[in-house]
Amino acid sequence: QQQVKQSPQSLIVQKGGISIINCAYENTAFDYFPWYQQFPGKGPALLIAIRPDVSEKKEGRFTISFNKSAKQFSLHIMDSQPGDSATYFCAASNSGATNKLIFGTGTLLAVQP
Amino acid sequence: NAGVTQTPKFRVLKTGQSMTLLCAQDMNHEYMYWYRQDPGMGLRLIHYSVGEGTTAKGEVPDGYNVSRLKKQNFLLGLESAAPSQTSVYFCASSYSLKESTDTQYFGPGTRLTVL
Repeated sequence: QQQVKQSPQSLIVQKGGISIINCAYENTAFDYFPWYQQFPGKGPALLIAIRPDVSEKKEGRFTISFNKSAKQFSLHIMDSQPGDSATYFCAASNSGATNKLIFGTGTLLAVQP
Repeated sequence: NAGVTQTPKFRVLKTGQSMTLLCAQDMNHEYMYWYRQDPGMGLRLIHYSVGEGTTAKGEVPDGYNVSRLKKQNFLLGLESAAPSQTSVYFCASSYSLKESTDTQYFGPGTRLTVL
């Protein structure tokens, strides 16, 4: 049973455009929602994370929007650049339960110059 | 700080062979994790540890064993490899008493092929 559903599976965006990736979760006990970025041949690295007490978090060109009632959260990449081309994973965890992350299936983003 | 390191980087096994993957971290983290990554399935937790001498099962533990004899090391063993265990394996670590954060730091991965 997949507890975190991620879409789309792949995404092509023009340079300067906005990339949007969506995730939905089922377990209402989740209280930590990170996004990881993975380049080919590398391990995932934390990009940005949010907790349910806020509806939005912004770090540079990256923004997480969080909708607790809908159990959904999304990653927005503004002014997308070719260097943003990577695989993005959303995840969720209950930080009181040893922080075991449940990952989405990933989105392969390609930003065309 | 080297962060999280994994050895080996690549390995090819024949069905039935055994091997051990080594993960080491130098961040004094309490928690360590082993994941496998397969196309279209994201990362799935195999086993994890919340401290030296402790281990617990994750989402897909069958066919794997782990040990954490030292705080900085977390070993993943395959006793009798099967083609279904062909995957990329990632180790991660998190949480220290000094820096109470949920961030998991990942190693560079081990690509394992079982023929």
